[in-house]
Amino acid sequence: AQSVTQPDIHITVSEGASLELRCNYSYGATPYLFWYVQSPGQGLQLLLKYFSGDTLVQGIKGFEAEFKRSQSSFNLRKPSVHWSDAAEYFCAVGADASYGKLTFGQGTILTVHP
Amino acid sequence: SQTIHQWPATLVQPVGSPLSLECTVEGTSNPNLYWYRQAAGRGLQLLFYSVGIGQISSEVPQNLSASRPQDRQFILSSKKLLLSDSGFYLCARTGGSNYGYTFGSGTRLTVV
Repeated sequence: AQSVTQPDIHITVSEGASLELRCNYSYGATPYLFWYVQSPGQGLQLLLKYFSGDTLVQGIKGFEAEFKRSQSSFNLRKPSVHWSDAAEYFCAVGADASYGKLTFGQGTILTVHP
Repeated sequence: SQTIHQWPATLVQPVGSPLSLECTVEGTSNPNLYWYRQAAGRGLQLLFYSVGIGQISSEVPQNLSASRPQDRQFILSSKKLLLSDSGFYLCARTGGSNYGYTFGSGTRLTVV
């Protein structure tokens, strides 16, 4: 069975600081990995996804993530955080690019201080 | 467009009352459809998924049921709500050229 762990429940950073949100997954085959962002009371928006190829993937809003098979990780990064990035972030793993079920991590709440 | 419409956006229901949440999707036909629940302080839990009309798979035993009467319609129901059914319910779809999942804006259900 696939699983996802986001070790940090809540992270606080200052505006302009760099950000890294951790994600570790467990899956027996090549995983399909996703990062989603959720603003309060809203649905989830896809930030980026990894299926294969280059292990560093670029997403929307200046986010990127790096797939490290040896560490079973898919950490999300942003070099300079903006106040509008405050939200909850979810890492997810799927067995198929578009037709499999997703397993989500517990989420990381990001607070941005001015 | 792979837009998903969910309604209502918020709902307050008494314990023991019935429930019907509707999700309709646009875009490519024969999508896979999903119902997820997000309880307070917890991640997303897959409740049901459907690969076609009338085909429903349940991921967890619970007080809820799902139906898919039309290709682009997915309904979440309950005959008698429990307090533990409170949460944020999200409908999602896969399929189409945009690989990955598209989520609706969700329904906030509070059972009182």
